[in-house]
Amino acid sequence: ETGVTQTPRHLVMGMTNKKSLKCEQHLGHNAMYWYKQSAKKPLELMFVYNFKEQTENNSVPSRFSPECPNSSHLFLHLHTLQPEDSALYLCASSQEMGRGTGGFSGNTIYFGEGSWLTVV
Amino acid sequence: DQQVKQNSPSLSVQEGRISILNCDYTNSMFDYFLWYKKYPAEGPTFLISISSIKDKNEDGRFTVFLNKSAKHLSLHIVPSQPGDSAVYFCAALGSSGTYKYIFGTGTRLKVLA
Repeated sequence: ETGVTQTPRHLVMGMTNKKSLKCEQHLGHNAMYWYKQSAKKPLELMFVYNFKEQTENNSVPSRFSPECPNSSHLFLHLHTLQPEDSALYLCASSQEMGRGTGGFSGNTIYFGEGSWLTVV
Repeated sequence: DQQVKQNSPSLSVQEGRISILNCDYTNSMFDYFLWYKKYPAEGPTFLISISSIKDKNEDGRFTVFLNKSAKHLSLHIVPSQPGDSAVYFCAALGSSGTYKYIFGTGTRLKVLA
């Protein structure tokens, strides 16, 4: 149990469907992240939120739409996805974003267990 | 351009022996490094970190070494246990105000009983 919970753990959706991934962190962190992990590729940063404000969109296609209603919750809304979007989507959080005042320990990011997405 | 490289995709080690996982980086602005462990179908779990002001950090069976001049870090696991079998990722964070953790592609460690 890392304190970061993701639902659903597995999702199969058609290319015309609309679905959402949910992430909740119980660590009192202020920054939340979405990462994508595809086979044999490094973890790819998608979005970053700091105190509910989006601070990074790493050139992610608009068919992925994030939402951060508060510092504890993060959503990834999915619509008209492509089969190549099938991957493990990881949510993460950290006490601070980047070079904060909490020292290096505040920079450590903690991941959820991931949501396996298959687009058919 | 891969700024963080884990050149060994896999490693097999006998139980009880030392496992050494390597990571190289190219950006001299990185000043904080982390190792994560990942089991199949789970998210990465934080293991140990090191800042650039140190050259060694130890936590139980895990020790991370940093060689700044060579832009190289390594994770030592002693003694290795079958439960250590997983994929290990190194990650780096820059000092330039960025919050982008750059991850390597991972090394799959298999500890043989």
